[in-house]
Amino acid sequence: GESVGLHLPTLSVQEGDNSIINCAYSNSASDYFIWYKQESGKGPQFIIDIRSNMDKRQGQRVTVLLNKTVKHLSLQIAATQPGDSAVYFCAENNDYKLSFGAGTTVTVRA
Amino acid sequence: NAGVTQTPKFRILKIGQSMTLQCAQDMNHNYMYWYRQDPGMGLKLIYYSVGAGITDKGEVPNGYNVSRSTTEDFPLRLELAAPSQTSVYFCASSYSKRAFYSNQPQHFGDGTRLSIL
Repeated sequence: GESVGLHLPTLSVQEGDNSIINCAYSNSASDYFIWYKQESGKGPQFIIDIRSNMDKRQGQRVTVLLNKTVKHLSLQIAATQPGDSAVYFCAENNDYKLSFGAGTTVTVRA
Repeated sequence: NAGVTQTPKFRILKIGQSMTLQCAQDMNHNYMYWYRQDPGMGLKLIYYSVGAGITDKGEVPNGYNVSRSTTEDFPLRLELAAPSQTSVYFCASSYSKRAFYSNQPQHFGDGTRLSIL
């Protein structure tokens, strides 16, 4: 089976609210994680990454949290905007390979 | 800066036909990758290359071949197209094998949508 997966396939969020997207991974040896955003008809676009020696990393309107104890990763989007509607993937980097989960589709309600 | 460019964007093939999906990057990246994405799923690695002249299999290599004669180009070939190869194909590149070290994740093209009928 896949080593990385997301808890929920869909997430509906009111514009202006914060979004939280969750991801569980199974390989405790993984030391680098990436969140990608994929819009319809496009390739995955890098959002933010985090190394296993960190618990939290912040970007512009996004925060990634890593809990190695329970092998859980989350992406928080502040003040969600219509342009945030997309499919979000977490990916686990082991050696050469990125392992992707199935993704969470985020829909922003006006 | 074009990044990763994939051609064609769409293609329909008949069973048994062959074709080459093109991928080029202008970022002087050492590492290049081919993935396939089936509907509602994440990406699965087909083949990858750590540099010109070097390629290796990923998770789902059967039915595909690759070559890497230059740093910039990494074509993917389907020799005998089968319906199971209907998918969206993404090419990606990164500076180092362990993106971790250079803090450079993989950069993706916009994909080739391939249907085999």
